[in-house]
Amino acid sequence: AQTVTQSQPEMSVQEAETVTLSCTYDTSESDYYLFWYKQPPSRQMILVIRQEAYKQQNATENRFSVNFQKAAKSFSLKISDSQLGDAAMYFCAQPRAAGNKLTFGGGTRVLVKP
Amino acid sequence: EADIYQTPRYLVIGTGKKITLECSQTMGHDKMYWYQQDPGMELHLIHYSYGVNSTEKGDLSSESTVSRIRTEHFPLTLESARPSHTSQYLCASMVQGRFGTEAFFGQGTRLTVV
Repeated sequence: AQTVTQSQPEMSVQEAETVTLSCTYDTSESDYYLFWYKQPPSRQMILVIRQEAYKQQNATENRFSVNFQKAAKSFSLKISDSQLGDAAMYFCAQPRAAGNKLTFGGGTRVLVKP
Repeated sequence: EADIYQTPRYLVIGTGKKITLECSQTMGHDKMYWYQQDPGMELHLIHYSYGVNSTEKGDLSSESTVSRIRTEHFPLTLESARPSHTSQYLCASMVQGRFGTEAFFGQGTRLTVV
């Protein structure tokens, strides 16, 4: 059963603008991590940002930030000041079963218009 | 840069052949994963391991098998390749510790069965 859901198959953003990607998840664990990964075309998957569930403060990494709503099981990614190099597939991910299973959402393709 | 390697990067092989996709990591991670990535880019977990001599099937049924005889090595084998096995295969390992949790990915193997 799908436990990580990304409802936007594709998002388009103008260069220098902001785009927000949605992710919802389902877990019965009280302490867990959530990740956003980026997969550029034909390139390696890399970590964008991570959030620990017990931390109430939203994680931020330069132009990337998250809006973590634990009660709603929502974990959105905001990309500010979008750059051409941000164009990629973005995946939301959650380790389950004490991290033994790492499950991904279906991905969101981000297109950046110059 | 993560020390996780997949070989070969590209493989074209005939139907019925036996193939092994290699995945190695030098980080000493216990948890390792294999994903099948379809043309729509969704990642499907097909196998995972949480240590030496432990292997489990993932969320997507696969005719492939895996082994984990050494911590650093997690090969995936197809006994008899078929065109339906044509896909991108991604290997990952994950660290969980007091400095945080993160998954690292190999560059992937693109398999084509003709």
